[in-house]
Amino acid sequence: GAVVSQHPSWVICKSGTSVKIECRSLDFQATTMFWYRQFPKQSLMLMATSNEGSKATYEQGVEKDKFLINHASLTLSTLTVTSAHPEDSSFYICSARDLRSAGANVLTFGAGSRLTVL
Amino acid sequence: KQEVTQIPAALSVPEGENLVLNCSFTDSAIYNLQWFRQDPGKGLTSLLLIQSSQREQTSGRLNASLDKSSGRSTLYIAASQPGDSATYLCAVPRGGANNLFFGTGTRLTVIP
Repeated sequence: GAVVSQHPSWVICKSGTSVKIECRSLDFQATTMFWYRQFPKQSLMLMATSNEGSKATYEQGVEKDKFLINHASLTLSTLTVTSAHPEDSSFYICSARDLRSAGANVLTFGAGSRLTVL
Repeated sequence: KQEVTQIPAALSVPEGENLVLNCSFTDSAIYNLQWFRQDPGKGLTSLLLIQSSQREQTSGRLNASLDKSSGRSTLYIAASQPGDSATYLCAVPRGGANNLFFGTGTRLTVIP
């Protein structure tokens, strides 16, 4: 089945630094990937839609200059949290849809990346 | 605006019991509904996907039902096991086919 890999699975950084999280579709191509954020004991909230070869689409309230998204290939999207602050500490999860399953409307999720900003 | 709610927020049951998790959504114009499992600190695992034309889906000890008209879905877990302990999330498509509205989740604990 379709597999989505995220790296790193967890990261700790100092306030003010930037952190990059990668999302890869291992055995399929994805023109679109999705980035979610999950705060402790809360559900997932969509942050942005990553589009291969074009700009990402951000949800209302999500700062595009703070959360930089790059989708340079059909198998890789990256989320960079710039000038991270403690309030950015969260669990970030990406997802992608296997183009081969166009009729199934099923998203495959990565294992998530836990960011802790000190 | 679609809102997805899950009740209860947390549930503890002894091993072997059958249980039902509930999911409700405010906009019934959906074309499918998914149930996911999330283990602590982990990503999501898709359990069941019900198309709008279906009333239920079964996978092993899991059975999910969908009633679009009333805006409800249930996830039935038979003969619960400690390994079933996790947070269960329901989700419905949002806008395009690929975005999902997630419910608030039910944290299940199965006590040995």
